[in-house]
Amino acid sequence: DAGVTQSPTHLIKTRGQHVTLRCSPISGHKSVSWYQQVLGQGPQFIFQYYEKEERGRGNFPDRFSARQFPNYSSELNVNALLLGDSALYLCASSWDAPDTQYFGPGTRLTVL
Amino acid sequence: QKEVEQNSGPLSVPEGAIASLNCTYSDRGSQSFFWYRQYSGKSPELIMFIYSNGDKEDGRFTAQLNKASQYVSLLIRDSQPSDSATYLCAVRSTGNQFYFGTGTSLTVIP
Repeated sequence: DAGVTQSPTHLIKTRGQHVTLRCSPISGHKSVSWYQQVLGQGPQFIFQYYEKEERGRGNFPDRFSARQFPNYSSELNVNALLLGDSALYLCASSWDAPDTQYFGPGTRLTVL
Repeated sequence: QKEVEQNSGPLSVPEGAIASLNCTYSDRGSQSFFWYRQYSGKSPELIMFIYSNGDKEDGRFTAQLNKASQYVSLLIRDSQPSDSATYLCAVRSTGNQFYFGTGTSLTVIP
């Protein structure tokens, strides 16, 4: 069975631009969560969605937004990129919102 | 105070020894606890989860949970060089958010 997939693998943007990251969960999983991981730190929770509804939000500015589609895939959008947004963005899926999460390979975002 | 705290290490153990990784958490109402392994440049990989006080064993790995002390640990028996990685402790809080520690770097010396 396919695991969590994310696209793109790598992305380079300049300050002020907008970016969209995509995630497809494990088949049968209905919940998707997004995390930001900067070098040397653990993943920081951004959003969790279950059945297309937001179930949780971390301490990130309004420049970060997300949505989940009827097929349970998800997008993370970041507006007005800052240098500090450079990080590995991880998507994790789970059967239900509070269940064990499995991570995708991540998208490496570099903001110049 | 951070939600989840880990000793960042690095922790070095000889091959075949037991590696002990520790984690404390602040939300007393937390219900679910997870250990992930992360190799450099890769995403976290789930090793174990534990929900109840006590020990849970899976192969060479044992997770231990003490909710009264707000403490969770991971023991790796017969450590192998391939176990060299960063180990992340994660906790699901009462607010249904997942909090990760900063990770402990483990090196197993052949």
